[in-house]
Amino acid sequence: GAVVSQHPSRVICKSGTSVKIECRSLDFQATTMFWYRQFPKQSLMLMATSNEGSKATYEQGVEKDKFLINHASLTLSTLTVTSAHPEDSSFYICSATYSSYEQYFGPGTRLTVT
Amino acid sequence: ELKVEQNPLFLSMQEGKNYTIYCNYSTTSDRLYWYRQDPGKSLESLFVLLSNGAVKQEGRLMASLDTKARLSTLHITAAVHDLSATYFCADLGYGNTGKLIFGQGTTLQVKP
Repeated sequence: GAVVSQHPSRVICKSGTSVKIECRSLDFQATTMFWYRQFPKQSLMLMATSNEGSKATYEQGVEKDKFLINHASLTLSTLTVTSAHPEDSSFYICSATYSSYEQYFGPGTRLTVT
Repeated sequence: ELKVEQNPLFLSMQEGKNYTIYCNYSTTSDRLYWYRQDPGKSLESLFVLLSNGAVKQEGRLMASLDTKARLSTLHITAAVHDLSATYFCADLGYGNTGKLIFGQGTTLQVKP
């Protein structure tokens, strides 16, 4: 149980375009989803916390107009990177939880902006 | 500032040897998590430690939690090459936000 999927697993886009990443909880209803970014050889950095039906809460230094998060249902959250630039290239990982006890991580999405 | 610090950050060891990774955290949380990450992959949950004195073991890995010292350890017994990966500890931080605060990660390289 507690499976989280992400789509796509890998995406290459041109600078200036927007990219949408989906995060789904497959076998449970997620009250909260989290979005992380990980640069090579670094730890995970929390970008935002997303609760179903409400606006996402962004961490300090994360541009909310650039990283749009929508949590339309208890099983789906989306992260849209708007006007992507090469410095946005990273590994994006989502997690989902139905309690504050444990987060279940998705397989990640590798974004490359050319 | 909330901090989680791991030590060492890089560990190269021979197969068959034992070693311990340390994780110090700054909050009064009684929950501590250990994850494994293989290159190019996401996180795999290893242990969830929920109270002071908690000890959990899975195969060659054993994790413990001392909330008074704000210290968790991940002990590796008789390392094998398959354990080569990056290990992260994470603290639940303050309050009931569910936010995890990750350590820097410890990259373990086990040589045959």
